[in-house]
Amino acid sequence: DAGVIQSPRHEVTEMGQEVTLRCKPISGHNSLFWYRQTMMRGLELLIYFNNNVPIDDSGMPEDRFSAKMPNASFSTLKIQPSEPRDSAVYFCASTTGNSGRGTYNEQFFGPGTRLTVL
Amino acid sequence: GENVEQHPSTLSVQEGDSAVIKCTYSDSASNYFPWYKQELGKRPQLIIDIRSNVGEKKDQRIAVTLNKTAKHFSLHITETQPEDSAVYFCAAKGTGGFKTIFGAGTRLFVKA
Repeated sequence: DAGVIQSPRHEVTEMGQEVTLRCKPISGHNSLFWYRQTMMRGLELLIYFNNNVPIDDSGMPEDRFSAKMPNASFSTLKIQPSEPRDSAVYFCASTTGNSGRGTYNEQFFGPGTRLTVL
Repeated sequence: GENVEQHPSTLSVQEGDSAVIKCTYSDSASNYFPWYKQELGKRPQLIIDIRSNVGEKKDQRIAVTLNKTAKHFSLHITETQPEDSAVYFCAAKGTGGFKTIFGAGTRLFVKA
């Protein structure tokens, strides 16, 4: 298995532009997470999906951020409009489990997307 | 809300010494505590985990302990090696669901 795949690996954009980050979870995993990592705030959970349904988006910073999971093998995180303070590494992770019982399973992280907003 | 505090933020040890990282959690319903290691420029990867029905778990040079009453858990690395140098994150997950709260991380330096 190729593991969790994220694209692009690096993104440099100007303030005000729309940014779309993409993630392909490990095949067979039914839960997907989006994290943001910065020096100041550490690793923050933005949103997670179970069976393609958003379960908890309380970590999404504001309305400029949105995430979708149209099918089991693809998710996007969109920032519109982007701002310099959005500069960070964005990780996608996936795991298996049942929404009713949760999971004790390892979360597998993708390589991350390093976003720089000028 | 749920919170995980991690200490120290930076730890420097001599090769061969032990390293201990401590975490406390606020949600008494938390039942799963994974530890992740993140090398510079790379993704976090699970190194060990423990469930709330277990007090201690060991895997070669790494061990975790859990004190549910005090709501704290610790990572112990013995006989440290330079390749142990990385950022280590503790985390806690509540019952049901998948939401995992991460600590702020500990940057470990192992000096040769």
